[in-house]
Amino acid sequence: ETGVTQTPRHLVMGMTNKKSLKCEQHLGHNAMYWYKQSAKKPLELMFVYNFKEQTENNSVPSRFSPECPNSSHLFLHLHTLQPEDSALYLCASSQDLQGAWGTDTQYFGPGTRLTVL
Amino acid sequence: EDQVTQSPEALRLQEGESSSLNCSYTVSGLRGLFWYRQDPGKGPEFLFTLYSAGEEKEKERLKATLTKKESFLHITAPKPEDSATYLCALTTTDSWGKLQFGAGTQVVVTP
Repeated sequence: ETGVTQTPRHLVMGMTNKKSLKCEQHLGHNAMYWYKQSAKKPLELMFVYNFKEQTENNSVPSRFSPECPNSSHLFLHLHTLQPEDSALYLCASSQDLQGAWGTDTQYFGPGTRLTVL
Repeated sequence: EDQVTQSPEALRLQEGESSSLNCSYTVSGLRGLFWYRQDPGKGPEFLFTLYSAGEEKEKERLKATLTKKESFLHITAPKPEDSATYLCALTTTDSWGKLQFGAGTQVVVTP
């Protein structure tokens, strides 16, 4: 595997279900991110992790719960979602949060297309 | 309030017809400006990073430039495979790791 991988690629869940999204980066990076991409809206940053520590929660509802067990893996736990949470969820990684020029470039995974019924 | 505005929203080009996409921004302190390409149903693919006004970067038919208020992505002699949504994003000096995205420009290149 190379780059940033995400599983599953597609997920359909009911409002009462609990599911998790997984992201893995094979780039040796230290920072990882979750983004949400809804139709007709710009990508929205959700969470930022640096060296496994959360550094940013962009006012995300508590029904989204991130977990970063190590610098290579990032999870997004989902529970009691709403239909408006249906979107493409993208994971990204960068070498650093804000270091030397070029180290903050973020590389994205293919995304998980989530549909909440 | 920081803003990133891309124009036009959509662009339809004939193969070989060069054009430019615009990304204008109003931020307190630009750290880096990023261009990505996104195909339908896929994650954004990194193209360029620009850090200072006057900087230019090229890759095949694409060239990105940066001024103090805007960035341009020039597409020279496009081919149908250049059809995609092009996203502009930036970080500021006080927003570590927080990419702020524009809404994107959807480019369609017809043979």
